[in-house]
Amino acid sequence: GQQLNQSPQSMFIQEGEDVSMNCTSSSIFNTWLWYKQDPGEGPVLLIALYKAGELTSNGRLTAQFGITRKDSFLNISASIPSDVGIYFCAGQYRGNKLVFGAGTILRVKS
Amino acid sequence: SAVISQKPSRDICQRGTSLTIQCQVDSQVTMMFWYRQQPGQSLTLIATANQGSEATYESGFVIDKFPISRPNLTFSTLTVSNMSPEDSSIYLCSVEDNRGAYNEQFFGPGTRLTVL
Repeated sequence: GQQLNQSPQSMFIQEGEDVSMNCTSSSIFNTWLWYKQDPGEGPVLLIALYKAGELTSNGRLTAQFGITRKDSFLNISASIPSDVGIYFCAGQYRGNKLVFGAGTILRVKS
Repeated sequence: SAVISQKPSRDICQRGTSLTIQCQVDSQVTMMFWYRQQPGQSLTLIATANQGSEATYESGFVIDKFPISRPNLTFSTLTVSNMSPEDSSIYLCSVEDNRGAYNEQFFGPGTRLTVL
């Protein structure tokens, strides 16, 4: 079945630094999504990407849908303490189902 | 985006019992899904809840263990049957909101289940 390789597994950065994380797969996806999950909460959708090569921003977040449709990255600029959480990439395949990456744990030192 | 609520938010259950989790959406949606998130892990799709017909289960999940109901376009239930400690997880429902230009999938807050 589809699998996503998400990296890095965790990051511990200084407030104000930029963050980059990515997902790769051997499978092609029609849609890539990036979610953030805070402790005790469900994942919250940050950015959705629908077209190969698409670059989309949402405030300090920027994400791109790889041209091969097999990868995506998420950048967070000028990190702040509330960026702490777990970030998941997800690829959408047949029947609108999602397969998730393992997650990137982000910690921010203020 | 659609507003999704789940009940209960958490529960502690005894081995061998069953728990039914409810998912309510504030608008009619075509697609509803149930996911499991084991401790410290990512999300895994259990099944697609189909309105008016049997749910479609992913590999490794069966109806006898995780019966699902979807009586209408705003509500679904997931039952975790004959529980064991290995069933301790967060169970999340999600919906596909197709009111915008594209179909986006949103998640409920989750139900944190602990089985003793």
